[in-house]
Amino acid sequence: DQQVKQNSPSLSVQEGRISILNCDYTNSMFDYFLWYKKYPAEGPTFLISISSIKDKNEDGRFTVFLNKSAKHLSLHIVPSQPGDSAVYFCAASAAGGTSYGKLTFGQGTILTVHP
Amino acid sequence: DSGVTQTPKHLITATGQRVTLRCSPRSGDLSVYWYQQSLDQGLQFLIQYYNGEERAKGNILERFSAQQFPDLHSELNLSSLELGDSALYFCASSVGLSPGTEAFFGQGTRLTVV
Repeated sequence: DQQVKQNSPSLSVQEGRISILNCDYTNSMFDYFLWYKKYPAEGPTFLISISSIKDKNEDGRFTVFLNKSAKHLSLHIVPSQPGDSAVYFCAASAAGGTSYGKLTFGQGTILTVHP
Repeated sequence: DSGVTQTPKHLITATGQRVTLRCSPRSGDLSVYWYQQSLDQGLQFLIQYYNGEERAKGNILERFSAQQFPDLHSELNLSSLELGDSALYFCASSVGLSPGTEAFFGQGTRLTVV
């Protein structure tokens, strides 16, 4: 039961353009969403998060948008840089139920930014 | 450096054997999580401990067990190993239990079962 889905295994963009990574979820109990970035041979590192009471959160070049009615969130990176090339994981957590306190991850999207 | 330390970094062992993976959380973090990442897979939640007590369980096999010690370090024990257990095992820690608490990940232990 994949409660968090990243349907695009990979994304390729040109340096300077926008990267948009998408994530869908099915569990309506999820109320906090995070994006993690992972380089090879390293653990995931936290990038940005959003609470379900917001629909947008911005941090520098990174913006996360949340559409609760569609159970969809996206990460925008503008402008994209070659150093952004990594695997991006969407994760979600819930205030209650069996998902409380734990992060449920999507499968990840490999982002490649070409110079 | 996330502050989470995992040992060993690499482990090669034979089928049927038992191994122990160790995790030291960030200073002050009470929650420890274990995740498994198999080839081409996302991170699969295994188990969570908070201040020494098991708090949440995911898709953890009965052959696997974990514990968190009074000094808050954690160990993941994998027994009767099978080829399919080969994966990256990540430990993460966070300050508390509250939803969306940012978790900090270690570099992982790469387990290869031959």
